Amino acid sequence: AQSVTQLGSHVSVSEGALVLLRCNYSSSVPPYLFWYVQYPNQGLQLLLKYTSAATLVKGINGFEAEFKKSETSFHLTKPSAHMSDAAEYFCAVSDHNAGNMLTFGGGTRLMVKP
Amino acid sequence: DAGVIQSPRHEVTEMGQEVTLRCKPISGHNSLFWYRQTMMRGLELLIYFNNNVPIDDSGMPEDRFSAKMPNASFSTLKIQPSEPRDSAVYFCASSNQETQYFGPGTRLLVL
Repeated sequence: AQSVTQLGSHVSVSEGALVLLRCNYSSSVPPYLFWYVQYPNQGLQLLLKYTSAATLVKGINGFEAEFKKSETSFHLTKPSAHMSDAAEYFCAVSDHNAGNMLTFGGGTRLMVKP
Repeated sequence: DAGVIQSPRHEVTEMGQEVTLRCKPISGHNSLFWYRQTMMRGLELLIYFNNNVPIDDSGMPEDRFSAKMPNASFSTLKIQPSEPRDSAVYFCASSNQETQYFGPGTRLLVL
């Protein structure tokens, strides 16, 4: 069975500050890992994904995440927060041996203060 | 590509009525997923199809919910009869065996 834990359901940062959203996973097989972003009243948009290539993955809007197998983590970072980054962020793990089903974390709502 | 298309975007109905949500996946994708999102329970997978065949419907909450995929370019999620606790945002996603791409969702309100 797979699971995803996102530490902190709400994270608040100042504009220009570092963004760090935490994600830990458990998986019995080598995982595919994803970060999605959901803006208010919209669907989930893929930010970035790890599929067993480079461990440091760059995504859209200046976000990146690093796969650390020893820590079973896939934390999302951005050096400098922008007001437009305010949204909900979901980490997910895929079991590609079971039809690519995603297991989602509970989500982290990012608030950016001016 | 237009992405995953869902209709309607908003639906308001009365308790007891039948509701049909529609989804057109991205062309060439062979897996399709239906999710429900609520404040209380977050994102829940309801059912997924692979090559038009339902593979796992263990997330479908009750017999009132049913889903079909008659061909590779169309799927429906039906609730009959609807209840106020079915109020949620319903998302459809399609996959190319690696990444799921989500539609904009249907916001359902059952009065």
